[in-house]
Amino acid sequence: DAGVIQSPRHEVTEMGQEVTLRCKPISGHDYLFWYRQTMMRGLELLIYFNNNVPIDDSGMPEDRFSAKMPNASFSTLKIQPSEPRDSAVYFCASSLSGAQPQHFGDGTRLSIL
Amino acid sequence: QQPVQSPQAVILREGEDAVINCSSSKALYSVHWYRQKHGEAPVFLMILLKGGEQKGHDKISASFNEKKQQSSLYLTASQLSYSGTYFCGTDTPPGAQKLVFGQGTRLTINP
Repeated sequence: DAGVIQSPRHEVTEMGQEVTLRCKPISGHDYLFWYRQTMMRGLELLIYFNNNVPIDDSGMPEDRFSAKMPNASFSTLKIQPSEPRDSAVYFCASSLSGAQPQHFGDGTRLSIL
Repeated sequence: QQPVQSPQAVILREGEDAVINCSSSKALYSVHWYRQKHGEAPVFLMILLKGGEQKGHDKISASFNEKKQQSSLYLTASQLSYSGTYFCGTDTPPGAQKLVFGQGTRLTINP
């Protein structure tokens, strides 16, 4: 079975540019989570969806961040405009339910210059 | 509230045992454990639900003490492949469909 698929794997862009990260969850998983990982702050939950509906976006740091899930097989995390402090590894994860194991994608390593 | 893990880092020789603790100031319904190798994604190890159960996974096991609001991960006869950073994730508030992860414990196994 295919796991969670994220793209791109690496992204390097200049400050002020728009960045779009993509995620395809495991088929049949009703929950999708977006995390950010940095050395300073660890693994932080940004937002999660249940059946394509955003449930909790309290972890989204600023209005510059937005996330959508237009259908059960696709989600995006967008940063506009990007700033150097947004540099991090962004993970997408999916699960059958909130209480079930989360399966993580390989992550997107984002560098904002 | 982020759970607190201890120790922050531990170095062992192959074959030694390790214990990693995860404590919360809030009541817990479940505790999840994950392992992340350098440059890779976190990988699920096990879930423990309230009730004080202990679960095992090869030579890795864990316990969950609901009253003390803490969980411990036990790695026995450690192997080189056990190296990585271990995270506990707790559901906060209890029963929430999301996890809050601890800061991680870096485990290094030397030959």
